[in-house]
Amino acid sequence: AQSVTQLGSHVSVSEGALVLLRCNYSSSVPPYLFWYVQYPNQGLQLLLKYTSAATLVKGINGFEAEFKKSETSFHLTKPSAHMSDAAEYFCAVSNSGTYKYIFGTGTRLKVLA
Amino acid sequence: GAVVSQHPSWVICKSGTSVKIECRSLDFQATTMFWYRQFPKQSLMLMATSNEGSKATYEQGVEKDKFLINHASLTLSTLTVTSAHPEDSSFYICSARVNSGSLLEEYFGPGTRLTVT
Repeated sequence: AQSVTQLGSHVSVSEGALVLLRCNYSSSVPPYLFWYVQYPNQGLQLLLKYTSAATLVKGINGFEAEFKKSETSFHLTKPSAHMSDAAEYFCAVSNSGTYKYIFGTGTRLKVLA
Repeated sequence: GAVVSQHPSWVICKSGTSVKIECRSLDFQATTMFWYRQFPKQSLMLMATSNEGSKATYEQGVEKDKFLINHASLTLSTLTVTSAHPEDSSFYICSARVNSGSLLEEYFGPGTRLTVT
């Protein structure tokens, strides 16, 4: 079975500050890991994905995430927050067997001016 | 990138009626589409996996007779909520898988907000 835990349902950062959104996973098989962003009343947009290649993954809009097997983590970071980054962020896990996505409960990012 | 559309984007219906939501892959063929349900301020919950030309596979706890899924072509899947009730009000999101070399990538539609009065 696979699962995802996102620590912190709400995160607030100042504009220009570091963004860190936490995601820990549980998987009995090598995982595929994803970060998605959702703006109000919209679907999900893929930020980045890890599929067993490089452990440091760079995505769109300046986001990146590092896969750490020893810590079972896939935290999302961005060096400098922008007002437009305010949204809901979801971490998801899948694998090469079922390809089903298991989503975390989401983290709402608020960017303060 | 691959684009997935949903129609309608929002719908209001009366209790007891049925409503159909369409999910289309616009520029690629999708043998597999997925339907999710998202409650306010909560995560996405997979409802069912829709395979072209075959019956959908429903997740545990999802009523297959209430949420009818049809995947008639490689670019279209429909979700029909039958005899809708207020508790069916939710945000429904579909996604479609596409082969990208050795990797299956999933693209999400913009969602359909259903309100049952």
